Amino acid sequence: DVVVTQTPLSSPVTLGQPASISCKSSQSLVHPDGNTYLSWLHQRPGQPPRLLIYKISNRFSGVPDRFSGSGAGTDFTLKISRVEAEDVGIYYCMQITHFPRTFGQGTRVEIK
Amino acid sequence: QVQLQESGPGLVRPSETLSLTCTVSGASVRSFYWSWIRQSAGKGLEWIGRIQVNGDTTYNPSLHSRITMSLDTSKNQVSLNLNSVTAADTAVYYCVRDHAPVGWNYAFDYWGQGILVTVSS
Repeated sequence: DVVVTQTPLSSPVTLGQPASISCKSSQSLVHPDGNTYLSWLHQRPGQPPRLLIYKISNRFSGVPDRFSGSGAGTDFTLKISRVEAEDVGIYYCMQITHFPRTFGQGTRVEIK
Repeated sequence: QVQLQESGPGLVRPSETLSLTCTVSGASVRSFYWSWIRQSAGKGLEWIGRIQVNGDTTYNPSLHSRITMSLDTSKNQVSLNLNSVTAADTAVYYCVRDHAPVGWNYAFDYWGQGILVTVSS
């Protein structure tokens, strides 16, 4: 299985300040079709995860532009340019290039 | 608006079979692939398996021998059976829209609210 490792596991952030989460995979996430199927999810307490970013850097419908994704191959990053109160929760990276699909351990973003 | 609703027993005895149903509205189960994902405190998010529009399935090898997924197109439902359960199968189980059969860019865009299943005697 592809192991997906996130750092940090916890990120206390001041409102209005940036946040960054790293995601590394144990093997390349480049699919034979040339795409890299690395996504980011956000989960608020008591809610199911929701899709934020797909194919490394594409924001899903309705996702604010303060969220951005970058990276290639095995190293990826999610950035929040200015954290707002509604951004608290757990962020997961996940890969759907390989079977079985796998997820990172999650990064908890909280307000200082 | 696409909605997914999981249903089934919240308590299953050890060694028995966990059976869940996902009722889909706002989309046809014949138009997309569908996955089940579970979340437990100990293992985080775990992909269980996927079913395609033609009924073909791909399962997580860690659970492969115990899983059966199926479609009921007349009821627009997706089902999951997990047999020989143990306490390690206690988790919130999510039904999730996977991706379209062709021309897809993303997966897991719609999630059910999830159902907590506890395995205990």
